[in-house]
Amino acid sequence: EADIYQTPRYLVIGTGKKITLECSQTMGHDKMYWYQQDPGMELHLIHYSYGVNSTEKGDLSSESTVSRIRTEHFPLTLESARPSHTSQYLCASRGPLWDEQYFGPGTRLTVT
Amino acid sequence: DQQVKQNSPSLSVQEGRISILNCDYTNSMFDYFLWYKKYPAEGPTFLISISSIKDKNEDGRFTVFLNKSAKHLSLHIVPSQPGDSAVYFCAASARGNTGKLIFGQGTTLQVKP
Repeated sequence: EADIYQTPRYLVIGTGKKITLECSQTMGHDKMYWYQQDPGMELHLIHYSYGVNSTEKGDLSSESTVSRIRTEHFPLTLESARPSHTSQYLCASRGPLWDEQYFGPGTRLTVT
Repeated sequence: DQQVKQNSPSLSVQEGRISILNCDYTNSMFDYFLWYKKYPAEGPTFLISISSIKDKNEDGRFTVFLNKSAKHLSLHIVPSQPGDSAVYFCAASARGNTGKLIFGQGTTLQVKP
């Protein structure tokens, strides 16, 4: 089982603020992913990375950006938060041999 | 166009009985399927998976069945326990497609004592 961490777990912030959601994994996985999920809905892939200096946009358009400077770290940034960004953000990583992705605990973001 | 569908938003079963969660997919390129369990305010936890070369995979109380001709898979939980109450997501991937997972909408399972 992968060890993958996300901080903060909960964040309530005002409109227009810049935020960074942190995601770290200790398994040395090259592949990492960010999903967005609303209650009763499927997980939507918003960003992914295959390794250091590799980032790609996912299937769901997002105003957020990501970076991958170190293998273990994959932060997500919103330059100017809006109420429409209110959601749960889930980070995942995947090892080289298997298709299973392992998820962190998520960040519940509320923008007021 | 939703490629992975879980048409039952919720399911309620009695403790000790069988829970059957269903999932349909449309993309014939999918060759690997997974089930995840999710509690509120937590990340999904991987449960069990199946490759398209198999039609059944079993792990303890959990069994996944795959019917490729019908593009249908199901998760059986026997016997169901109250701790199984959670949202269950079906996911699929096409291995040539960079390992991205496509998720269904989830089914909320409630196991009553």
